[in-house]
Amino acid sequence: GAVVSQHPSWVICKSGTSVKIECRSLDFQATTMFWYRQFPKQSLMLMATSNEGSKATYEQGVEKDKFLINHASLTLSTLTVTSAHPEDSSFYICSAHLAGGPTDTQYFGPGTRLTVL
Amino acid sequence: DAKTTQPPSMDCAEGRAANLPCNHSTISGNEYVYWYRQIHSQGPQYIIHGLKNNETNEMASLIITEDRKSSTLILPHATLRDTAVYYCIVPRNAGNMLTFGGGTRLMVKP
Repeated sequence: GAVVSQHPSWVICKSGTSVKIECRSLDFQATTMFWYRQFPKQSLMLMATSNEGSKATYEQGVEKDKFLINHASLTLSTLTVTSAHPEDSSFYICSAHLAGGPTDTQYFGPGTRLTVL
Repeated sequence: DAKTTQPPSMDCAEGRAANLPCNHSTISGNEYVYWYRQIHSQGPQYIIHGLKNNETNEMASLIITEDRKSSTLILPHATLRDTAVYYCIVPRNAGNMLTFGGGTRLMVKP
């Protein structure tokens, strides 16, 4: 149980285009989902917290107009990188919070590798 | 999140126990210790968590000192597939706001 999927697993796009990444909790509902970014040889950095039905909360330094987050249902959150540039190339990882139960923790998706040319 | 300190890297022989330490001296009385690992180019994987009692599951054992200022994750029989970065995290609120530090890069060698 507690499986989180991401789509696509990798994407290559041209500079200036927008890219949407989907995060789904497959076997549980998640009121809260999180988006992280990881650059090579670095640790995960939290970008934003997404709550179903409300606006996302962004971490300091993360542009909310550039990284659009939508959490329209209890099993789906999307991250759209708008007007992507080469410096946005990174590994994007989502997680979903399984509240209550024996673990009460976040379960992570497999990640999406974005390359902007 | 309470600050945690882990060694940056460790080696372990295949088939032997891997003992990964973590210091969390500022942990509060009701804060849990969580362990995750990240295999190269994958999302982090939950391993185990505990409050003050030792815990064991199919993946690992977690030993927490009586004063709760440190803990050790034990992989009883490490395999090559256990090569990963292991993160010890003490979230302020269970399940929320995970802050990933540098973790320990465990290399299991044949």
